[in-house]
Parts: sequence; structure tokens; C-alpha cells
Amino acid sequence: DTGVSQDPRHKITKRGQNVTFRCDPISEHNRLYWYRQTLGQGPEFLTYFQNEAQLEKSRLLSDRFSAERPKGSFSTLEIQRTEQGDSAMYLCASSLGHVSLSYNEQFFGPGTRLTVL
Amino acid sequence: GQQVMQIPQYQHVQEGEDFTTYCNSSTTLSNIQWYKQRPGGHPVFLIQLVKSGEVKKQKRLTFQFGEAKKNSSLHITATQTTDVGTYFCAGGAAGNKLTFGGGTRVLVKP
Repeated sequence: DTGVSQDPRHKITKRGQNVTFRCDPISEHNRLYWYRQTLGQGPEFLTYFQNEAQLEKSRLLSDRFSAERPKGSFSTLEIQRTEQGDSAMYLCASSLGHVSLSYNEQFFGPGTRLTVL
Repeated sequence: GQQVMQIPQYQHVQEGEDFTTYCNSSTTLSNIQWYKQRPGGHPVFLIQLVKSGEVKKQKRLTFQFGEAKKNSSLHITATQTTDVGTYFCAGGAAGNKLTFGGGTRVLVKP
């Protein structure tokens, strides 16, 4: 399977614990995005990378959230001191992005469902 | 910041009928993308519109981008049970991050 993969698929944690999610994008894709989706809502942008550089981070993202993409391939999203309000589906997407191209189809992974008790 | 609204939130359609879902942005968009998410699944790209007034068709689906590049619509003809899911529009700014609407949940009555 050459699609976007995410691990774990499900995570249950207690409030106050730290969690880390991993995303492996499609191999030739240089852009990687993180979104959060709650029930009945559309995906909400969190942050994105072009290669290893984090180019934008949502203003809604608290300091407890941090993301990395150290070698420009896989990415991790860490949430520190989790709160019940962090419960959601965390989606990763990847795409090819070049300045000269406007085409920016994003390929989504299956997501990691986080439940904070 | 940019806001994208979709109506209706729910669409109950009799199999074989047509329907339209609408998407409106608070700001002018560089492009708009449409995604479909099946129940329990993840968003899957359908199409991208870039030009003012652009119309694109995919079999029974017709997508339109408004002249002012602030709104879009998706029209589905002869609805089938395979059309069940949530259809999201997403506004693109500078081709990077997407701002998704709340989606239209489509239920098909056989």
C-alpha cells in the first residue's frame, strides 16, 4: 500500500498524559499536513510542512501541541498534558507542492482517533 | 480568518433524484477543492476548481466555481446509494492549507 499511513489508529489516554502520533506520507510528497476532526465537523487545519520546514501553524493550536518532520519524510504530532477537549480524529495528509503548480490535491491517511478520559 | 460555510448540513435524497449542495467563503479563494468522506472513512479528493466561473463534470457530479471565487456548488444527478457520505468543500489559500466547510451529509433513500 503506497498511501498515507498513520499510527496508532486508536489511542486512549488519561487526562494529563502525553501522546505522540506518527504519519508516513506518500514517499514522493514534499508537503505534509495535520488536521483535527471532531464528530460532525470538517477537518480543521493544525499545521503543515514543506520538506522538513514547518511553514504554518494554526493560531488555534495550543502550546501543548508540537509537530516535527525531522528528515522531511515521516512526521510526528505530540500532545502534552492531554485534556478531554483534545479527543478527536487526527488526520494527516500529504501532497506534492511546487510554487509553479496550483494543483494541490491532498491525500489523507486513515487518522488516529484519540480519546482522553 | 477565512470561514467556509456549507448548506445544507443534511441532505436526504430519494434514489434517482438530483440535489445540489452549496459552499460559501468569507474571502476570495485561490482555488476550491471538494472531498468526499464515507462513514468511518477519511476524506478523498474529488476535484479542484481554480478559475472564476469554472465548471467541471465527473460522470453524475457537476462542480461550479463562482464568478467572484467566493462560492461553489456540487450538483449530483440521479443519486445512487454509492453517493452516501459527507461532501466537504475546502477553500485553498496560496495552494497550501485548506479551510474546510462543515460538510453536507448525504443520505439516500432507496
